[in-house]
Amino acid sequence: DADVTQTPRNRITKTGKRIMLECSQTKGHDRMYWYRQDPGLGLRLIYYSFDVKDINKGEISDGYSVSRQAQAKFSLSLESAIPNQTALYFCATSDPGAETNYGYTFGSGTRLTVV
Amino acid sequence: AQTVTQSQPEMSVQEAETVTLSCTYDTSESDYYLFWYKQPPSRQMILVIRQEAYKQQNATENRFSVNFQKAAKSFSLKISDSQLGDAAMYFCAYLSGGATNKLIFGTGTLLAVQP
Repeated sequence: DADVTQTPRNRITKTGKRIMLECSQTKGHDRMYWYRQDPGLGLRLIYYSFDVKDINKGEISDGYSVSRQAQAKFSLSLESAIPNQTALYFCATSDPGAETNYGYTFGSGTRLTVV
Repeated sequence: AQTVTQSQPEMSVQEAETVTLSCTYDTSESDYYLFWYKQPPSRQMILVIRQEAYKQQNATENRFSVNFQKAAKSFSLKISDSQLGDAAMYFCAYLSGGATNKLIFGTGTLLAVQP
């Protein structure tokens, strides 16, 4: 099984619908992140969480919300999807240990299309 | 705020030849890490190489090496003996060494390998 699992892998949804992207990890890492990838823009941080009780906005949080249900689970929600939220979404975890050089582990991504 | 710039949206190399991908970054911090990630068509994010800012020696991983110029804030990736499997999107990324570190990505360089 993958260390970081994202579901669904692909999703098409309609404008105005609520959608949840899920992420679970078996790395035992406290830190989890949601990134969005767009062509020509690279990956941009949406939200991040350094432990279960800690949620922080990234650079592009408008239109998104998150829930950290447990150390291993971090979900991203689009309350009312719009076409410009069409993108590839990545969940990641990290281990803030110097011995690992703050290694990040990424999920395989969710490709979301809003029509 | 830290920024990462990749000025080459696309590059091409002949199989078995050498190619260099450019990356510059802006920061006022002295403690940080730099990374190159590879994203093949499978869309998985694969760590290629990492560099600690406090290390003067350039990192090397098999056919991949970096040219880290701290004063110039430059972090280029050299791929030697290019192979067809090296074709992918490559992202340069910066990570602060502070407690609230978050990975910041460049916009990516799409590398094509010609047979």
